[in-house]
Amino acid sequence: KQEVTQIPAALSVPEGENLVLNCSFTDSAIYNLQWFRQDPGKGLTSLLLIQSSQREQTSGRLNASLDKSSGRSTLYIAASQPGDSATYLCAAMDSSYKLIFGSGTRLLVRP
Amino acid sequence: DGGITQSPKYLFRKEGQNVTLSCEQNLNHDAMYWYRQDPGQGLRLIYYSQIVNDFQKGDIAEGYSVSREKKESFPLTVTSAQKNPTAFYLCASSPQGGNIQYFGAGTRLSVL
Repeated sequence: KQEVTQIPAALSVPEGENLVLNCSFTDSAIYNLQWFRQDPGKGLTSLLLIQSSQREQTSGRLNASLDKSSGRSTLYIAASQPGDSATYLCAAMDSSYKLIFGSGTRLLVRP
Repeated sequence: DGGITQSPKYLFRKEGQNVTLSCEQNLNHDAMYWYRQDPGQGLRLIYYSQIVNDFQKGDIAEGYSVSREKKESFPLTVTSAQKNPTAFYLCASSPQGGNIQYFGAGTRLSVL
Protein backbone atom coordinates (compact mmCIF):
# COMPACT_ATOMS: atom_id res chain seq x y z
CA LYS A 1 0.00 0.00 0.00
CA GLN A 2 1.38 3.36 -1.05
CA GLU A 3 2.49 5.66 1.77
CA VAL A 4 3.61 9.24 1.25
CA THR A 5 5.70 11.08 3.82
CA GLN A 6 6.68 14.74 3.94
CA ILE A 7 9.58 16.20 5.87
CA PRO A 8 9.77 18.59 7.61
CA ALA A 9 6.26 19.00 9.04
CA ALA A 10 6.88 22.72 9.53
CA LEU A 11 9.47 25.18 8.32
CA SER A 12 10.13 28.84 9.13
CA VAL A 13 12.57 30.84 7.01
CA PRO A 14 13.44 34.51 6.48
CA GLU A 15 12.30 36.17 3.30
CA GLY A 16 14.61 35.71 0.33
CA GLU A 17 15.92 32.31 1.33
CA ASN A 18 15.90 29.36 -1.08
CA LEU A 19 14.30 26.26 0.41
CA VAL A 20 13.60 22.60 -0.29
CA LEU A 21 10.58 20.57 0.74
CA ASN A 22 10.86 16.80 0.72
CA CYS A 23 8.40 14.08 -0.20
CA SER A 24 8.99 10.32 -0.18
CA PHE A 25 6.79 7.46 -1.35
CA THR A 26 7.02 3.73 -0.75
CA ASP A 27 5.76 2.33 -4.07
CA SER A 28 7.63 3.48 -7.17
CA ALA A 29 4.80 2.35 -9.49
CA ILE A 30 3.25 5.81 -9.65
CA TYR A 31 1.42 7.44 -12.54
CA ASN A 32 2.57 10.92 -11.54
CA LEU A 33 3.61 13.01 -8.55
CA GLN A 34 1.84 16.28 -7.77
CA TRP A 35 2.54 19.23 -5.52
CA PHE A 36 -0.31 21.34 -4.13
CA ARG A 37 -0.56 24.51 -2.09
CA GLN A 38 -3.22 24.92 0.61
CA ASP A 39 -3.94 28.21 2.35
CA PRO A 40 -5.58 28.03 5.82
CA GLY A 41 -9.20 26.87 5.61
CA LYS A 42 -9.11 26.69 1.81
CA GLY A 43 -9.06 24.09 -0.91
CA LEU A 44 -6.00 22.90 -2.81
CA THR A 45 -4.28 24.62 -5.70
CA SER A 46 -2.21 22.50 -8.08
CA LEU A 47 1.37 23.79 -8.40
CA LEU A 48 3.31 21.23 -10.39
CA LEU A 49 2.69 17.79 -11.86
CA ILE A 50 5.54 15.46 -12.81
CA GLN A 51 4.69 12.49 -14.99
CA SER A 52 6.35 9.21 -14.06
CA SER A 53 8.59 9.44 -17.14
CA GLN A 54 9.80 12.94 -16.27
CA ARG A 55 12.55 14.07 -13.92
CA GLU A 56 11.46 17.62 -13.14
CA GLN A 57 9.01 20.42 -13.79
CA THR A 58 9.41 24.17 -13.36
CA SER A 59 6.96 27.01 -12.89
CA GLY A 60 8.34 30.43 -12.07
CA ARG A 61 10.26 30.23 -8.79
CA LEU A 62 9.15 26.63 -8.23
CA ASN A 63 10.99 23.54 -9.36
CA ALA A 64 9.91 20.00 -8.57
CA SER A 65 12.05 16.92 -9.15
CA LEU A 66 11.17 13.24 -9.19
CA ASP A 67 13.41 10.23 -8.57
CA LYS A 68 11.24 7.13 -8.83
CA SER A 69 14.07 4.71 -8.10
CA SER A 70 14.66 6.24 -4.67
CA GLY A 71 11.00 7.10 -4.08
CA ARG A 72 11.64 10.80 -3.63
CA SER A 73 10.45 14.15 -4.86
CA THR A 74 11.56 17.62 -3.86
CA LEU A 75 9.96 21.02 -4.26
CA TYR A 76 12.48 23.84 -4.54
CA ILE A 77 11.28 27.38 -3.89
CA ALA A 78 13.67 30.13 -4.93
CA ALA A 79 13.84 33.56 -3.30
CA SER A 80 10.98 32.87 -0.90
CA GLN A 81 8.40 35.58 -0.18
CA PRO A 82 5.90 36.05 2.68
CA GLY A 83 3.13 35.27 0.17
CA ASP A 84 4.58 31.76 -0.17
CA SER A 85 3.47 31.01 3.40
CA ALA A 86 1.04 28.08 3.18
CA THR A 87 0.91 24.32 3.57
CA TYR A 88 2.48 22.36 0.72
CA LEU A 89 1.15 18.88 0.02
CA CYS A 90 2.58 16.26 -2.26
CA ALA A 91 0.50 13.42 -3.66
CA ALA A 92 1.34 10.30 -5.65
CA MET A 93 -1.19 9.19 -8.26
CA ASP A 94 -1.56 5.45 -8.81
CA SER A 95 -2.57 3.70 -12.03
CA SER A 96 -6.29 3.98 -11.15
CA TYR A 97 -5.94 7.80 -10.90
CA LYS A 98 -6.28 7.85 -7.12
CA LEU A 99 -4.16 10.37 -5.23
CA ILE A 100 -2.32 9.37 -2.05
CA PHE A 101 -1.40 12.45 -0.03
CA GLY A 102 1.37 13.24 2.40
CA SER A 103 0.54 15.13 5.58
CA GLY A 104 2.08 18.36 4.28
CA THR A 105 4.78 20.86 5.18
CA ARG A 106 3.59 24.07 6.82
CA LEU A 107 5.79 26.90 5.54
CA LEU A 108 6.15 30.32 7.14
CA VAL A 109 8.25 32.94 5.35
CA ARG A 110 9.10 35.76 7.76
CA PRO A 111 9.38 39.33 6.38
CA ASP B 1 -17.33 31.08 -14.00
CA GLY B 2 -16.17 27.47 -14.24
CA GLY B 3 -15.31 25.60 -11.13
CA ILE B 4 -16.33 23.45 -8.21
CA THR B 5 -18.76 24.74 -5.62
CA GLN B 6 -19.05 23.21 -2.18
CA SER B 7 -21.78 24.18 0.24
CA PRO B 8 -22.23 25.01 2.97
CA LYS B 9 -18.86 26.42 4.03
CA TYR B 10 -19.57 25.50 7.67
CA LEU B 11 -21.90 22.76 8.93
CA PHE B 12 -22.86 21.58 12.38
CA ARG B 13 -24.19 18.13 13.17
CA LYS B 14 -26.11 17.00 16.19
CA GLU B 15 -25.64 13.54 17.68
CA GLY B 16 -27.47 10.87 15.67
CA GLN B 17 -28.15 13.19 12.75
CA ASN B 18 -27.36 12.62 9.09
CA VAL B 19 -26.02 15.64 7.18
CA THR B 20 -25.39 16.12 3.47
CA LEU B 21 -22.55 18.10 1.93
CA SER B 22 -23.08 19.47 -1.55
CA CYS B 23 -20.55 19.43 -4.40
CA GLU B 24 -21.40 20.83 -7.84
CA GLN B 25 -19.09 21.29 -10.83
CA ASN B 26 -19.64 22.97 -14.19
CA LEU B 27 -16.36 21.81 -15.72
CA ASN B 28 -18.02 18.91 -17.56
CA HIS B 29 -15.70 16.51 -15.72
CA ASP B 30 -16.57 12.83 -15.61
CA ALA B 31 -14.80 11.96 -12.35
CA MET B 32 -15.52 13.35 -8.90
CA TYR B 33 -13.96 12.69 -5.50
CA TRP B 34 -14.57 13.27 -1.80
CA TYR B 35 -11.70 13.64 0.66
CA ARG B 36 -11.49 14.14 4.39
CA GLN B 37 -8.74 16.22 5.99
CA ASP B 38 -7.97 16.17 9.72
CA PRO B 39 -5.79 18.85 11.37
CA GLY B 40 -2.13 18.55 10.41
CA GLN B 41 -2.81 15.65 8.08
CA GLY B 42 -3.11 15.05 4.40
CA LEU B 43 -6.27 14.18 2.53
CA ARG B 44 -7.84 10.72 2.70
CA LEU B 45 -10.16 9.45 0.00
CA ILE B 46 -13.73 8.69 1.10
CA TYR B 47 -15.55 7.90 -2.17
CA TYR B 48 -15.00 8.52 -5.85
CA SER B 49 -17.06 8.31 -9.01
CA GLN B 50 -15.64 7.87 -12.49
CA ILE B 51 -19.01 8.15 -14.27
CA VAL B 52 -22.66 8.93 -13.62
CA ASN B 53 -24.57 6.28 -11.64
CA ASP B 54 -21.36 4.59 -10.54
CA PHE B 55 -19.10 5.13 -7.52
CA GLN B 56 -16.48 3.26 -5.49
CA LYS B 57 -15.37 3.26 -1.88
CA GLY B 58 -12.12 4.95 -1.02
CA ASP B 59 -9.92 4.24 1.99
CA ILE B 60 -12.30 5.53 4.70
CA ALA B 61 -15.85 5.01 3.37
CA GLU B 62 -17.40 3.66 6.58
CA GLY B 63 -20.08 6.01 7.94
CA TYR B 64 -20.46 7.88 4.65
CA SER B 65 -22.68 7.50 1.59
CA VAL B 66 -22.78 9.16 -1.84
CA SER B 67 -24.86 9.31 -4.98
CA ARG B 68 -24.05 10.30 -8.55
CA GLU B 69 -27.37 10.83 -10.34
CA LYS B 70 -26.09 13.76 -12.39
CA LYS B 71 -22.71 14.42 -13.96
CA GLU B 72 -22.35 17.77 -12.26
CA SER B 73 -23.34 16.73 -8.74
CA PHE B 74 -21.77 14.37 -6.16
CA PRO B 75 -23.33 14.89 -2.71
CA LEU B 76 -21.79 13.28 0.38
CA THR B 77 -23.93 12.19 3.34
CA VAL B 78 -22.25 11.86 6.72
CA THR B 79 -24.39 9.34 8.56
CA SER B 80 -24.90 8.83 12.28
CA ALA B 81 -22.66 5.76 11.95
CA GLN B 82 -19.67 8.07 11.50
CA LYS B 83 -18.65 8.56 15.13
CA ASN B 84 -15.92 11.12 14.52
CA PRO B 85 -17.18 13.35 11.71
CA THR B 86 -15.43 16.59 12.72
CA ALA B 87 -13.09 17.39 9.83
CA PHE B 88 -12.57 19.48 6.71
CA TYR B 89 -14.20 17.89 3.65
CA LEU B 90 -12.92 18.56 0.15
CA CYS B 91 -14.52 17.68 -3.17
CA ALA B 92 -12.57 17.41 -6.41
CA SER B 93 -13.22 16.62 -10.05
CA SER B 94 -11.16 15.63 -13.06
CA PRO B 95 -11.71 14.75 -16.71
CA GLN B 96 -11.99 11.02 -17.36
CA GLY B 97 -8.49 9.61 -17.19
CA GLY B 98 -7.24 13.07 -16.30
CA ASN B 99 -4.06 13.77 -14.41
CA ILE B 100 -5.14 16.85 -12.54
CA GLN B 101 -7.87 17.09 -9.93
CA TYR B 102 -9.50 20.45 -9.32
CA PHE B 103 -10.61 21.15 -5.78
CA GLY B 104 -13.48 23.03 -4.20
CA ALA B 105 -13.04 25.39 -1.25
CA GLY B 106 -14.16 22.80 1.29
CA THR B 107 -16.80 22.34 4.00
CA ARG B 108 -15.86 22.35 7.67
CA LEU B 109 -18.08 19.97 9.65
CA SER B 110 -18.32 20.14 13.42
CA VAL B 111 -20.34 18.20 15.97
CA LEU B 112 -22.55 20.08 18.43
